[in-house]
Amino acid sequence: AQSVSQHNHHVILSEAASLELGCNYSYGGTVNLFWYVQYPGQHLQLLLKYFSGDPLVKGIKGFEAEFIKSKFSFNLRKPSVQWSDTAEYFCAVNNAGNMLTFGGGTRLMVKP
Amino acid sequence: GAVVSQHPSRVICKSGTSVKIECRSLDFQATTMFWYRQFPKKSLMLMATSNEGSKATYEQGVEKDKFLINHASLTLSTLTVTSAHPEDSSFYICSAGTANTGELFFGEGSRLTVL
Repeated sequence: AQSVSQHNHHVILSEAASLELGCNYSYGGTVNLFWYVQYPGQHLQLLLKYFSGDPLVKGIKGFEAEFIKSKFSFNLRKPSVQWSDTAEYFCAVNNAGNMLTFGGGTRLMVKP
Repeated sequence: GAVVSQHPSRVICKSGTSVKIECRSLDFQATTMFWYRQFPKKSLMLMATSNEGSKATYEQGVEKDKFLINHASLTLSTLTVTSAHPEDSSFYICSAGTANTGELFFGEGSRLTVL
Protein backbone atom coordinates (compact mmCIF):
# COMPACT_ATOMS: atom_id res chain seq x y z
CA ALA A 1 0.00 0.00 0.00
CA GLN A 2 1.17 3.48 -0.70
CA SER A 3 1.89 5.95 2.06
CA VAL A 4 2.52 9.66 2.20
CA SER A 5 4.76 11.37 4.75
CA GLN A 6 4.84 15.02 5.63
CA HIS A 7 7.87 15.75 7.74
CA ASN A 8 6.83 18.98 9.36
CA HIS A 9 3.78 18.81 11.59
CA HIS A 10 3.90 22.43 12.68
CA VAL A 11 5.68 25.33 11.05
CA ILE A 12 5.76 28.89 12.36
CA LEU A 13 7.07 31.63 10.11
CA SER A 14 7.13 35.38 10.02
CA GLU A 15 5.58 37.19 7.08
CA ALA A 16 7.85 37.39 4.03
CA ALA A 17 9.80 34.31 5.07
CA SER A 18 10.22 31.53 2.54
CA LEU A 19 8.34 28.29 2.93
CA GLU A 20 9.12 24.72 2.02
CA LEU A 21 6.97 21.82 3.20
CA GLY A 22 8.24 18.34 2.62
CA CYS A 23 6.22 15.47 1.17
CA ASN A 24 7.46 11.99 0.37
CA TYR A 25 5.48 9.05 -0.86
CA SER A 26 6.11 5.36 -1.19
CA TYR A 27 4.91 3.91 -4.47
CA GLY A 28 7.01 2.82 -7.38
CA GLY A 29 4.56 3.30 -10.21
CA THR A 30 2.99 6.27 -11.91
CA VAL A 31 1.39 8.67 -9.51
CA ASN A 32 -0.62 11.86 -9.54
CA LEU A 33 0.36 14.29 -6.81
CA PHE A 34 -1.61 17.01 -5.07
CA TRP A 35 -1.34 19.64 -2.42
CA TYR A 36 -4.54 20.67 -0.68
CA VAL A 37 -5.01 23.53 1.76
CA GLN A 38 -7.56 23.85 4.55
CA TYR A 39 -7.98 27.38 5.87
CA PRO A 40 -9.42 27.73 9.39
CA GLY A 41 -13.10 26.89 9.33
CA GLN A 42 -13.14 26.05 5.64
CA HIS A 43 -13.10 22.89 3.57
CA LEU A 44 -10.22 21.46 1.62
CA GLN A 45 -9.19 23.27 -1.53
CA LEU A 46 -6.79 22.23 -4.24
CA LEU A 47 -3.57 24.27 -4.31
CA LEU A 48 -1.85 22.52 -7.17
CA LYS A 49 -1.47 19.17 -8.86
CA TYR A 50 1.01 17.21 -10.92
CA PHE A 51 0.00 14.62 -13.48
CA SER A 52 2.83 14.70 -16.02
CA GLY A 53 5.15 17.04 -17.90
CA ASP A 54 7.13 19.82 -16.25
CA PRO A 55 7.97 18.60 -12.75
CA LEU A 56 7.81 22.15 -11.42
CA VAL A 57 4.15 23.02 -11.09
CA LYS A 58 2.71 26.35 -10.15
CA GLY A 59 -0.50 26.67 -8.24
CA ILE A 60 -2.70 29.35 -6.84
CA LYS A 61 -1.60 32.12 -4.47
CA GLY A 62 2.06 31.93 -5.45
CA PHE A 63 2.62 28.33 -4.39
CA GLU A 64 4.68 25.91 -6.39
CA ALA A 65 5.82 22.32 -5.98
CA GLU A 66 8.54 20.25 -7.53
CA PHE A 67 8.17 16.57 -8.32
CA ILE A 68 11.47 14.74 -7.95
CA LYS A 69 10.82 11.20 -9.05
CA SER A 70 14.17 9.83 -7.88
CA LYS A 71 13.46 11.09 -4.37
CA PHE A 72 9.74 10.21 -4.35
CA SER A 73 9.17 13.77 -3.24
CA PHE A 74 6.74 16.57 -4.00
CA ASN A 75 7.74 19.49 -1.80
CA LEU A 76 5.61 22.62 -1.62
CA ARG A 77 7.27 26.03 -1.74
CA LYS A 78 6.40 29.69 -1.55
CA PRO A 79 9.07 32.41 -1.71
CA SER A 80 7.33 34.84 0.62
CA VAL A 81 4.48 33.84 2.89
CA GLN A 82 1.66 36.06 4.06
CA TRP A 83 -0.42 36.00 7.19
CA SER A 84 -3.33 34.77 5.08
CA ASP A 85 -1.37 31.60 4.29
CA THR A 86 -2.01 30.38 7.83
CA ALA A 87 -3.70 27.04 7.25
CA GLU A 88 -3.19 23.32 7.24
CA TYR A 89 -1.55 21.83 4.17
CA PHE A 90 -2.05 18.26 3.00
CA CYS A 91 -0.03 16.38 0.43
CA ALA A 92 -1.92 13.61 -1.36
CA VAL A 93 -1.05 10.90 -3.83
CA ASN A 94 -3.22 8.98 -6.24
CA ASN A 95 -2.06 5.95 -8.18
CA ALA A 96 -5.32 4.34 -9.26
CA GLY A 97 -8.76 5.73 -9.86
CA ASN A 98 -9.90 8.54 -7.65
CA MET A 99 -8.60 7.25 -4.35
CA LEU A 100 -6.27 9.64 -2.60
CA THR A 101 -3.84 8.83 0.16
CA PHE A 102 -3.20 11.83 2.37
CA GLY A 103 -0.17 12.80 4.36
CA GLY A 104 -0.55 13.72 8.01
CA GLY A 105 -0.80 17.41 7.29
CA THR A 106 1.34 20.39 8.19
CA ARG A 107 -0.09 23.20 10.23
CA LEU A 108 1.41 26.51 9.14
CA MET A 109 1.16 29.63 11.24
CA VAL A 110 2.38 32.90 9.79
CA LYS A 111 3.00 35.65 12.28
CA PRO A 112 2.27 39.18 11.07
CA GLY B 1 -14.16 23.90 -10.32
CA ALA B 2 -16.81 21.34 -9.55
CA VAL B 3 -18.91 21.77 -6.42
CA VAL B 4 -19.61 19.19 -3.75
CA SER B 5 -22.06 20.04 -1.01
CA GLN B 6 -22.69 18.37 2.33
CA HIS B 7 -25.67 18.63 4.60
CA PRO B 8 -26.00 19.19 7.47
CA SER B 9 -22.88 21.15 8.30
CA ARG B 10 -23.42 20.63 12.00
CA VAL B 11 -25.52 18.12 13.88
CA ILE B 12 -25.88 17.36 17.56
CA CYS B 13 -27.67 14.21 18.62
CA LYS B 14 -28.27 12.04 21.64
CA SER B 15 -26.40 8.83 22.16
CA GLY B 16 -28.18 5.90 20.53
CA THR B 17 -29.80 7.83 17.72
CA SER B 18 -28.91 7.61 14.04
CA VAL B 19 -27.71 10.52 11.94
CA LYS B 20 -27.72 10.84 8.17
CA ILE B 21 -25.25 13.05 6.30
CA GLU B 22 -25.77 13.85 2.62
CA CYS B 23 -23.12 14.50 0.01
CA ARG B 24 -24.16 15.95 -3.33
CA SER B 25 -22.23 16.74 -6.47
CA LEU B 26 -23.97 19.87 -7.69
CA ASP B 27 -22.75 20.33 -11.24
CA PHE B 28 -21.37 16.97 -12.25
CA GLN B 29 -22.10 13.27 -11.97
CA ALA B 30 -19.98 11.17 -9.68
CA THR B 31 -19.98 7.41 -9.95
CA THR B 32 -17.62 7.32 -7.00
CA MET B 33 -17.65 9.36 -3.85
CA PHE B 34 -15.43 9.06 -0.82
CA TRP B 35 -16.13 9.48 2.86
CA TYR B 36 -13.45 10.63 5.28
CA ARG B 37 -13.25 11.24 8.97
CA GLN B 38 -11.03 13.94 10.39
CA PHE B 39 -10.02 13.80 14.03
CA PRO B 40 -8.89 16.94 15.81
CA LYS B 41 -5.43 17.99 14.72
CA LYS B 42 -5.18 14.94 12.50
CA SER B 43 -5.27 14.24 8.80
CA LEU B 44 -8.17 12.84 6.87
CA MET B 45 -8.81 9.16 7.26
CA LEU B 46 -10.55 7.43 4.38
CA MET B 47 -13.52 5.51 5.71
CA ALA B 48 -15.09 4.11 2.57
CA THR B 49 -15.55 4.41 -1.15
CA SER B 50 -19.12 4.88 -2.21
CA ASN B 51 -20.03 3.38 -5.59
CA GLU B 52 -23.24 4.32 -7.38
CA GLY B 53 -25.54 1.37 -7.67
CA SER B 54 -23.42 -1.04 -5.67
CA LYS B 55 -22.11 -1.67 -2.20
CA ALA B 56 -19.59 0.64 -0.64
CA THR B 57 -16.04 -0.49 -0.10
CA TYR B 58 -14.93 0.03 3.49
CA GLU B 59 -11.41 0.58 4.72
CA GLN B 60 -9.95 -1.77 7.27
CA GLY B 61 -11.17 -1.07 10.75
CA VAL B 62 -14.32 0.79 9.70
CA GLU B 63 -17.53 -0.90 10.84
CA LYS B 64 -19.90 -1.43 7.93
CA ASP B 65 -22.94 -1.79 10.15
CA LYS B 66 -22.05 1.35 12.04
CA PHE B 67 -21.45 3.59 9.08
CA LEU B 68 -24.05 2.83 6.41
CA ILE B 69 -23.35 4.27 2.99
CA ASN B 70 -25.88 4.54 0.21
CA HIS B 71 -25.02 5.91 -3.23
CA ALA B 72 -28.47 5.92 -4.77
CA SER B 73 -27.80 8.27 -7.68
CA LEU B 74 -24.95 9.81 -9.61
CA THR B 75 -25.19 13.00 -7.57
CA LEU B 76 -25.98 11.80 -4.06
CA SER B 77 -24.27 9.64 -1.46
CA THR B 78 -25.40 9.37 2.14
CA LEU B 79 -23.55 8.33 5.28
CA THR B 80 -25.68 7.17 8.18
CA VAL B 81 -24.04 6.87 11.57
CA THR B 82 -26.20 4.29 13.33
CA SER B 83 -26.68 4.14 17.08
CA ALA B 84 -24.25 7.00 17.52
CA HIS B 85 -22.03 7.19 20.59
CA PRO B 86 -19.86 10.04 21.86
CA GLU B 87 -16.76 8.45 20.32
CA ASP B 88 -18.40 8.88 16.91
CA SER B 89 -18.21 12.64 17.36
CA SER B 90 -16.00 13.88 14.57
CA PHE B 91 -15.77 15.86 11.37
CA TYR B 92 -17.01 13.86 8.39
CA ILE B 93 -16.01 14.92 4.90
CA CYS B 94 -17.04 13.63 1.50
CA SER B 95 -15.38 14.07 -1.86
CA ALA B 96 -16.06 13.27 -5.47
CA GLY B 97 -14.10 13.37 -8.70
CA THR B 98 -15.19 14.41 -12.17
CA ALA B 99 -13.09 11.89 -14.04
CA ASN B 100 -10.42 9.30 -13.52
CA THR B 101 -7.68 11.86 -12.94
CA GLY B 102 -7.35 11.66 -9.22
CA GLU B 103 -8.47 15.22 -8.63
CA LEU B 104 -11.16 15.37 -6.02
CA PHE B 105 -13.49 18.09 -4.87
CA PHE B 106 -14.40 18.19 -1.25
CA GLY B 107 -17.57 19.00 0.59
CA GLU B 108 -17.63 21.51 3.42
CA GLY B 109 -17.69 18.76 6.01
CA SER B 110 -20.24 17.82 8.65
CA ARG B 111 -19.43 18.16 12.31
CA LEU B 112 -21.19 15.51 14.37
CA THR B 113 -21.45 15.86 18.13
CA VAL B 114 -22.97 12.98 20.05
CA LEU B 115 -24.03 13.79 23.58
